[in-house]
Amino acid sequence: NAGVMQNPRHLVRRRGQEARLRCSPMKGHSHVYWYRQLPEEGLKFMVYLQKENIIDESGMPKERFSAEFPKEGPSILRIQQVVRGDSAAYFCASSLADTQYFGPGTRLTVL
Amino acid sequence: SQQGEEDPQALSIQEGENATMNCSYKTSINNLQWYRQNSGRGLVHLILIRSNEREKHSGRLRVTLDTSKKSSSLLITASRAADTASYFCTDLWGGSEKLVFGKGTKLTVNP
Repeated sequence: NAGVMQNPRHLVRRRGQEARLRCSPMKGHSHVYWYRQLPEEGLKFMVYLQKENIIDESGMPKERFSAEFPKEGPSILRIQQVVRGDSAAYFCASSLADTQYFGPGTRLTVL
Repeated sequence: SQQGEEDPQALSIQEGENATMNCSYKTSINNLQWYRQNSGRGLVHLILIRSNEREKHSGRLRVTLDTSKKSSSLLITASRAADTASYFCTDLWGGSEKLVFGKGTKLTVNP
């Protein structure tokens, strides 16, 4: 059973471009979470999704950020018009019950 | 705030020694969980201890929980250089679906 998969692992964007981060949950997991981690900080919750539904987006910035988890395919975290402050590691996790299992992360660098 | 706070912030030991990290929290817990994060990598789930449990073992790991003191400790016995990582305690505080992380304990095991 493969773990949580994220791609790309590294992503470089120039200011103003769009960043699309993908997350494939563990097989059988229907809950997906996105977290962001700045250097030397712990992870900060962004959004919690189930298939085709956003359950909790209380940690998402109000503008430029969106997330989806379609019926088919991976979950996508989309950042429009990226700025330097968006540079961070973005982690996806999936769960079936009590435990969230994390992917390896996508490191976004905005030039 | 609703998060675990790890102590110490940094810990440096020699290979073969034991490492103890502590976690204090303010609200009630459901299932306290410990994660490890190697530098630049994703989080690895180590162990989950339920609110009605007092101690749990997994290999070289031993976790204790004292709900009266709102604290938990993680003991790593016979440490190895590969144990060098940051360690976080967390829970779905307040019954939400999001994990809230502190800054962790940065453990360095010197060979």
